[in-house]
Amino acid sequence: QPVLTQPTSLSASPGASARFTCTLRSGINVGTYRIYWYQQKPGSLPRYLLRYKSDSDNQQGSGVPSRFSGSKDASTNAGLLVISGLQSEDEADYYCAIYFSSTVVFGGGTKLTVL
Amino acid sequence: QLQLQESGPGLVKPSETLSLTCTVSGGSISSSSYYWGWIRQPPGKGLEWIGSIYYSGSTYYNSSLKSRVTMSVDTSKNQFSLKLSSVTAADTAVYSCARQGRGTAYFDCWGQGTLVIVSS
Repeated sequence: QPVLTQPTSLSASPGASARFTCTLRSGINVGTYRIYWYQQKPGSLPRYLLRYKSDSDNQQGSGVPSRFSGSKDASTNAGLLVISGLQSEDEADYYCAIYFSSTVVFGGGTKLTVL
Repeated sequence: QLQLQESGPGLVKPSETLSLTCTVSGGSISSSSYYWGWIRQPPGKGLEWIGSIYYSGSTYYNSSLKSRVTMSVDTSKNQFSLKLSSVTAADTAVYSCARQGRGTAYFDCWGQGTLVIVSS
C-alpha cells in the first residue's frame, strides 16, 4: 500500500469548490505530519501551494491565493486541499507530499478538470 | 535570485549509468537550511523523489532506487550530481533538481528539468 494515496481525477464546475484528498497509509498518523501541496500545469514545473499540519502550523506559498486552503480529516487519516471559487486556470495536476523517515514521499497526483 | 540548471546527456543506453549535474547560481549550496534534491517524472506520470543531499555530503535516497543511486556535492563549484546505474526504459523521465527545505518536503526552487531517454 502506498504511503500517500490520491484519487486520480476530480471534476468540478467554475465557481464551485474542489476538495482533494491525500490519504496516509494505515499506521501513519496524519496528525503527525505536515502535508505539502503542489500544483503542476502541463509543460510546467510543480508549484508549491501550501503546507498544512494544523491551524497553528500551516504556510501559504508565496503568491498563492487564499482560495487555496489546507486542512485535515482525522477520521479518514487524510490531508485535504480545498480550492474555492474554481477558475479555469486551476485545471492542473495536484500532488501532496510528506517528509517521512528522512525521505520525501509524493502522492500519485490528482488531475483536476474544471468543466 | 536563485537558479538551478541541470546538465547531462539526454540519451542513455540500457544498463548504463545516467549522470546529471545541477549547477546552483544566485545562492550558496553550503546553506545549513537546505537540502538539494532530485525529482523525476516519467512521461504522463507523477512525481517521484529520487533523493537529496546536504552540503556536508549526507545523502537521503528513495528506498526503491537506493541500490542504484549515488549523489554527490561539490561545494567549490556550487554543484551537486546524480548517478543512476543500470538504467532501463522505466528510467526514462524528466529529471529535475530542486532546493529542499531541510527536514521538509518543501521544494521552493526548481531547475527547468531535463528529459533523459533510455534507449539503445
